[in-house]
Amino acid sequence: EDKVVQSPLSLVVHEGDTVTLNCSYEVTNFRSLLWYKQEKKAPTFLFMLTSSGIEKKSGRLSSILDKKELSSILNITATQTGDSAIYLCAVGQGAQKLVFGQGTRLTINP
Amino acid sequence: NAGVTQTPKFQVLKTGQSMTLQCAQDMNHNSMYWYRQDPGMGLRLIYYSASEGTTDKGEVPNGYNVSRLNKREFSLRLESAAPSQTSVYFCASSETTGLYGYTFGSGTRLTVV
Repeated sequence: EDKVVQSPLSLVVHEGDTVTLNCSYEVTNFRSLLWYKQEKKAPTFLFMLTSSGIEKKSGRLSSILDKKELSSILNITATQTGDSAIYLCAVGQGAQKLVFGQGTRLTINP
Repeated sequence: NAGVTQTPKFQVLKTGQSMTLQCAQDMNHNSMYWYRQDPGMGLRLIYYSASEGTTDKGEVPNGYNVSRLNKREFSLRLESAAPSQTSVYFCASSETTGLYGYTFGSGTRLTVV
């Protein structure tokens, strides 16, 4: 059975801290791994990682794909209260489907 | 740019009632999806449509039906709602391969009492 597991499920830190969110997967026909940020409504796209692009960075956020370990991390440095959200990891497989993890609820306290 | 539009945004149903959730996209995407999101369980795929005229079951299809009305529209129907279908429903679309991820609608919060 295809599976995407995120850890931790919940994380509370202080503004300015650095956080690392984890995602591990067991899926058939791996094509890509994606990170989404979900605030009050729909998930919004952050990064996509594939075999040909295993590291991405945008401002304070960065992500690495480890194909050998079947995992990925999302790093956020110098966190701000606006980073508070649910972070979703999803793996694209075979056809068009995405398999999502449970999400990590990140809370940044001032 | 509207992107993916879902209606309604909120709905309360009584057990046994039926309803249809509507979804439309204006990005000329071939593929469309319906997911449900429950606390602690991430997003689970209900049904998807790889292209106009085709639909396939996802991980949790029981109790639902779908219609790909045309390239733009993909509806989700609950024939006889149950409390277990209380959830937030998201429609999404993607270009054919889905390689670059999905664009999501803003969601429908459904409560079945």
